[in-house]
Amino acid sequence: GAVVSQHPSWVICKSGTSVKIECRSLDFQATTMFWYRQFPKQSLMLMATSNEGSKATYEQGVEKDKFLINHASLTLSTLTVTSAHPEDSSFYICSARGRTGGGETQYFGPGTRLLVL
Amino acid sequence: GDSVTQMEGPVTLSEEAFLTINCTYTATGYPSLFWYVQYPGEGLQLLLKATKADDKGSNKGFEATYRKETTSFHLEKGSVQVSDSAVYFCALSGDNDMRFGAGTRLTVKP
Repeated sequence: GAVVSQHPSWVICKSGTSVKIECRSLDFQATTMFWYRQFPKQSLMLMATSNEGSKATYEQGVEKDKFLINHASLTLSTLTVTSAHPEDSSFYICSARGRTGGGETQYFGPGTRLLVL
Repeated sequence: GDSVTQMEGPVTLSEEAFLTINCTYTATGYPSLFWYVQYPGEGLQLLLKATKADDKGSNKGFEATYRKETTSFHLEKGSVQVSDSAVYFCALSGDNDMRFGAGTRLTVKP
């Protein structure tokens, strides 16, 4: 079945550095990708929605200059956390939507845990 | 590791029919449980949640009860409407990460 991968699965970085997270759809073309942020035992928070070849649409309160999203192809979207700070530590999940043999559907990546020291 | 197993779809019902979408989970510790809904053309929305055993989450006529003894969080609605047509995802959130079910597509016909 369709799979969405994320890389890296976890990352530790120093405050002030930038971190890039990749999200790939492995056997289908993702026309839309979603980036979520999640805190332990809490619900997902949608950060932004991106369509291939166009600028991402950010949710209210999400800093677009801090969380850079690039959806360069139908199988790859990247989230870059720029000048990361400890409060950016979180679990980031991407989701890809596209057409597969069963019609349009959406799959979730396994998530990336970011720890900023 | 933690995981969620969700009833496979698609599910097609007539308007006013009773809906059950099964969801079971495997987890260490005591996760929070969620149901999310995705309407056509839109992103994911939180439908309801429960944070501890025996809690019942409810919203828009949908209900789900956190059953620790059966490790289940089945979604129910007594009378579905055409506007309930969507994809429903069961999810759990533990101490470290979040896990989703595969999603169940519901189509309600008038």
